[in-house]
Amino acid sequence: DAGVTQSPTHLIKTRGQQVTLRCSPKSGHDTVSWYQQALGQGPQFIFQYYEEEERQRGNFPDRFSGHQFPNYSSELNVNALLLGDSALYLCASSSGVLDTQYFGPGTRLTVL
Amino acid sequence: SQQGEEDPQALSIQEGENATMNCSYKTSINNLQWYRQNSGRGLVHLILIRSNEREKHSGRLRVTLDTSKKSSSLLITASRAADTASYFCATGPLNDYKLSFGAGTTVTVRA
Repeated sequence: DAGVTQSPTHLIKTRGQQVTLRCSPKSGHDTVSWYQQALGQGPQFIFQYYEEEERQRGNFPDRFSGHQFPNYSSELNVNALLLGDSALYLCASSSGVLDTQYFGPGTRLTVL
Repeated sequence: SQQGEEDPQALSIQEGENATMNCSYKTSINNLQWYRQNSGRGLVHLILIRSNEREKHSGRLRVTLDTSKKSSSLLITASRAADTASYFCATGPLNDYKLSFGAGTTVTVRA
């Protein structure tokens, strides 16, 4: 049983560019959440997708957007990249609101 | 802003010793989860304790939850070098879907 997978593993972009990160949830999970983790800090919630809709959003600007597909996989898009967007982006999947969220290995984004 | 705060920020122990870390949070919760992270990789789920539970065990892990004090503790018994990692508590607030993380406790187990 595959766990949560994310691609790519690493990514280097320059300021102003756009990036798309991808996530496949654990088998049987229908909910995907995205988190941003800056160096030395805990993960910060970006948003959560359920039934192909954004169910909740954290305190992130509109430059951060997402999508969930019918097979429950998800994408995170970040436009107009800033240096401060450099971080580890984590995807988590779950089944049910109160259940455990299982995390993928993350995508390390570096913005130069 | 982060909901939870772990204490201490860092912990160094000898192999075989026990490691205890604490987590305090601010709002009412549905559950509290503990995660481990090795060297900036993905988070590994360790244990989930629900708001109506007071203590839970999983292998060498023991978690307690005191909702009246809004605090939790994670005890790792008989530590091993492989336990070297950062440990995070994450709360699932009431009427909320997200997990709110603290800044973590960095544990170093010396051989």
